[in-house]
This record gives sequence, structure tokens and C-alpha cells, in this order.
Amino acid sequence: EPEVTQTPSHQVTQMGQEVILRCVPISNHLYFYWYRQILGQKVEFLVSFYNNEISEKSEIFDDQFSVERPDGSNFTLKIRSTKLEDSAMYFCASSSPPGGGTQETQYFGPGTRLLVL
Amino acid sequence: GENVEQHPSTLSVQEGDSAVIKCTYSDSASNYFPWYKQELGKRPQLIIDIRSNVGEKKDQRIAVTLNKTAKHFSLHITETQPEDSAVYFCAAGESWEYGNKLVFGAGTILRVKS
Repeated sequence: EPEVTQTPSHQVTQMGQEVILRCVPISNHLYFYWYRQILGQKVEFLVSFYNNEISEKSEIFDDQFSVERPDGSNFTLKIRSTKLEDSAMYFCASSSPPGGGTQETQYFGPGTRLLVL
Repeated sequence: GENVEQHPSTLSVQEGDSAVIKCTYSDSASNYFPWYKQELGKRPQLIIDIRSNVGEKKDQRIAVTLNKTAKHFSLHITETQPEDSAVYFCAAGESWEYGNKLVFGAGTILRVKS
């Protein structure tokens, strides 16, 4: 069964550094998402992406964050200047094309644990 | 925006008993309600979902009910087993042509004692 994959699984960085988190969504999916989960807390929506542009973003997703689909398979989240409070688990998710009756079902990747020191 | 409340925060049951987790949502535009199971350090895994045109859905030992008028939905697990122990998250979302942002509840830690 196809799965969403993410790299790296863990990333440690210094405050102020840039990080890029990578995701490979399920191959025929068209909708892509990033969520984050601070340790012990709920999963929070960051951004959704469709047709090569951001379709929705949360207040968390400020100018320090950006997303990109550089090729036909990868979906990346960039944090330009990391802060201590960016430490969290970052999950990528994808969902299928519309019309199949399952557009809403989001499949999550295994996550990247980001630690900002 | 949407707000999802989830109760209880922790739930301990004896193996074989039933477990019920309840969620309420605030935005009447939400039309999709998934439940995810998350084991420690792992990805959230979808276990069941329901759309707003359906009142109840069942999959083996798991069922979800939705009351649109009251804006609440519940997860029911029957004949619980130790492997059901995990954190369960409910979520609500509004599907539209450009995607479906999910708003999650705070989670319920379910412990099944053998």
C-alpha cells in the first residue's frame, strides 16, 4: 500500500538557521498539507497546497515559512530562520484527486522531528 | 474559525469493555469528520471517518456517530483489546475544491488494561 514518506526523520538545528523538510506524497494525490505537533499537544494545521499554489494557511504559517513542489514528486516545507518555538514534529499529508469520493481522506507521513537549539 | 473540543482527555477501560470518545465542533460548515489513532512516536493513522450526509458508520469494532444539529460526533470502540491503547484524535474539516484543512481535537489517551 502506498504511503507518504518524509525525510529526514530527525533534524537538529541552531536558532536562526534555515531548514527544509521534505515529503513525498502518494503518487496520484493532488492535495498536500503540512501539520505540526508540539510534544504532547494536538496536531495543528499549517498549510494546504493544490495546483501549485497555497490554498489555505494558518496564522502559524507566517513569512518564515514557505512551501514548494519543486518537481513531480517532492513537497517541501522551508523555515527560513528557525526559532526555539518551531521545535515540533512536522507531518506532511496528502489526499486524492476530487471525484473519487475520498478527496477528504488525508494520509499522514511518519513525521520529521525538528529540534531548534 | 473551527474549534474542536474532545473529551475525555484520558480513558482507562478493562479489556473487553467499550470505550467512547466524544467531540464537539463549532463551524456548521464542517462536513468531514475523521478519527485518527496515534501510537507513541508514530504517524496519525486514519481509523474511520464520516461525512455530514451520514449519521453513523461502522467498521468491525469501531463505529462513529454524528449529530449535525448538536454539532457533535463520537467514536465507539467495542470489545477493546490492549493493542487499542493509543492516543485518539478527532478532527473536523470543510471540504472544498482546493482542499480540506483539518482542525484536530486535543486527543484522548486510551489505556486498555488486560
